[in-house]
Amino acid sequence: EAEVAQSPRYKITEKSQAVAFWCDPISGHATLYWYRQILGQGPELLVQFQDESVVDDSQLPKDRFSAERLKGVDSTLKIQPAELGDSAMYLCASSLVLAGVQETQYFGPGTRLLVL
Amino acid sequence: DAKTTQPPSMDCAEGRAANLPCNHSTISGNEYVYWYRQIHSQGPQYIIHGLKNNETNEMASLIITEDRKSSTLILPHATLRDTAVYYCIVRPQGGKLIFGQGTELSVKP
Repeated sequence: EAEVAQSPRYKITEKSQAVAFWCDPISGHATLYWYRQILGQGPELLVQFQDESVVDDSQLPKDRFSAERLKGVDSTLKIQPAELGDSAMYLCASSLVLAGVQETQYFGPGTRLLVL
Repeated sequence: DAKTTQPPSMDCAEGRAANLPCNHSTISGNEYVYWYRQIHSQGPQYIIHGLKNNETNEMASLIITEDRKSSTLILPHATLRDTAVYYCIVRPQGGKLIFGQGTELSVKP
């Protein structure tokens, strides 16, 4: 069964450092999502891509976060500089697009970030 | 804001059916009911979704009331591996997934 891949699974960094996460969606899934999940809460959408284009980044803290999906396949989420409050699980999800509509989202295993 | 209400926690005996309720009294006609679960330290796992008819797959059954204001996810024979947080989400076709707090299900031996 095809899965969303993410790396690394765990990342420890010091505040003010740069950190990057990678996601490879299920093959053929045109839509890719990045979520952040703070401990004890549900995931929250940060950014949504349709192919290589951003369609929703309204919740992305653009002063320090950036996301790209240059070739419309895999994606990178970057934080620079990292802050203590960025400690969270970062989840990637992908979905097919059928008749112009995003279908069910499937999630990767996540990257757990700890900022010291 | 999440449009669903779920109990914060539930217990279930291993081998018994787990019935997880969800209220979505403000659901619109074009919104689907989705269920995901999240086992500790893993990504959310899709379980099932439906519009108005009851649905069943290899993981679970979804029962939606006729007025669509509530639903129940049924795990017919719960195992210890079903211990997880279960999220009920209403979503228009193609719309965002907005997660609430979910129900923490504990399956006990």
